[in-house]
Amino acid sequence: DGGITQSPKYLFRKEGQNVTLSCEQNLNHDAMYWYRQDPGQGLRLIYYSQIVNDFQKGDIAEGYSVSREKKESFPLTVTSAQKNPTAFYLCATSDGSNTDTQYFGPGTRLTVL
Amino acid sequence: QQQVKQSPQSLIVQKGGISIINCAYENTAFDYFPWYQQFPGKGPALLIAIRPDVSEKKEGRFTISFNKSAKQFSLHIMDSQPGDSATYFCAASNKGTYKYIFGTGTRLKVLA
Repeated sequence: DGGITQSPKYLFRKEGQNVTLSCEQNLNHDAMYWYRQDPGQGLRLIYYSQIVNDFQKGDIAEGYSVSREKKESFPLTVTSAQKNPTAFYLCATSDGSNTDTQYFGPGTRLTVL
Repeated sequence: QQQVKQSPQSLIVQKGGISIINCAYENTAFDYFPWYQQFPGKGPALLIAIRPDVSEKKEGRFTISFNKSAKQFSLHIMDSQPGDSATYFCAASNKGTYKYIFGTGTRLKVLA
């Protein structure tokens, strides 16, 4: 079954704690992305990675960190430095072909208690 | 210059009617314009996409109209159905940049 999986679906965190969101893909896509979605603000890019062992900051990278040790995996850590982390987090992939199409996972809803 | 402006913010349409959502951009380097459909609690799914070498693309009840000179593109949903009720996002990207710029979304409600 091909696709993008994100886990967990719901995540609760206490203030001051770091938390890691998982994103795994078996589409053999080179590029992976993390977006944050807040009501009325669309999708904002946090980090993206074009190839293994390389990643770039997006528009709102402060308070977040990522790694890309394997082609299939692109975990996102929300650190305690992120002041307003409650949001819906979406992982996406693209194969870098002419279509540039991005495919999204089902998302993780993070709530800070 | 990197913004994509989307309107309206919300839209209510009767069943069988036409839903129209508009987007405008400034960066003339954009060359790929996808539309995504998102249901509550789910990830966005690609609906239809267009490149600026054509002025219109149709897939079933969904049509993208593209006006290169005005730097505008729109999504038309013909014969709108209650199952089309969702949030729709337009986006724009430069080929090879790996980055999308998203509009702020339109929440569509189709009344039965």
